[in-house]
Amino acid sequence: RKEVEQDPGPFNVPEGATVAFNCTYSNSASQSFFWYRQDCRKEPKLLMSVYSSGNEDGRFTAQLNRASQYISLLIRDSKLSDSATYLCVVNYNFNKFYFGSGTKLNVKP
Amino acid sequence: DVKVTQSSRYLVKRTGEKVFLECVQDMDHENMFWYRQDPGLGLRLIYFSYDVKMKEKGDIPEGYSVSREKKERFSLILESASTNQTSMYLCASRGTPGNTIYFGEGSWLTVV
Repeated sequence: RKEVEQDPGPFNVPEGATVAFNCTYSNSASQSFFWYRQDCRKEPKLLMSVYSSGNEDGRFTAQLNRASQYISLLIRDSKLSDSATYLCVVNYNFNKFYFGSGTKLNVKP
Repeated sequence: DVKVTQSSRYLVKRTGEKVFLECVQDMDHENMFWYRQDPGLGLRLIYFSYDVKMKEKGDIPEGYSVSREKKERFSLILESASTNQTSMYLCASRGTPGNTIYFGEGSWLTVV
C-alpha cells in the first residue's frame, strides 16, 4: 500500500470553476502536511503547508482530517495558470517525506 | 529565497559510465536529499544527509552512492549507470525540523 495516495486525474475544469483534490495517507503518526505544485518538466514548488485547523491562502484552501487521514486542497475561481500537477506531501519521522504521485489539473478557457 | 542549484540539467550517458550529479544550496541547511521522479511512481528517496559526512539510505539506494564533504554540497554518484536509471533526479534541502523542503530544478539523465 502506498504511503500517500492521490487521484491522478486529470481534472479538466473551465476557468472560474472551483475544484477540490483529496489525498489520503497511511501513517497515523504523520506530523506535517504540504501541497506542492509541479509544472511540466519542472521541480515541485511549495504551494502551502496544511495546518490542523485548516488554512487559506488567497484562492487556495487546505484542510486536514487526522481522524480519517486525509488532506484536501480547494481551488476557487480557477485560472489558466493553475494548470499543473499538485503533489500531496506527508512528513513523519524527521526526514521522511512521502509524496503522492500527483493530481493533474487542466483549466480550460 | 532558498536557492538549490543542480549544475547538470540534461545529461546523456552510456551504460556502465560513472555519473556525478552535483547539488549546492545556499541557506546553510543541515538536511539534503536526493530523489528520483518517474511517471506514475512519484518521488522516491534515494539518500539523504543530515550533516557533513553523514548519510542515510532512502527507499531506493541500490546502484547509487552519495558524498557530502561540505555542508552546502551534496553529490549523487551512479557508479555504473544502467538504462533503468534514466530518470529525473531532484536534489532538495531543508533547515530545521518542521520546515518545508526546497527543490533544485532537476537533472534529466538518459542512459543509453
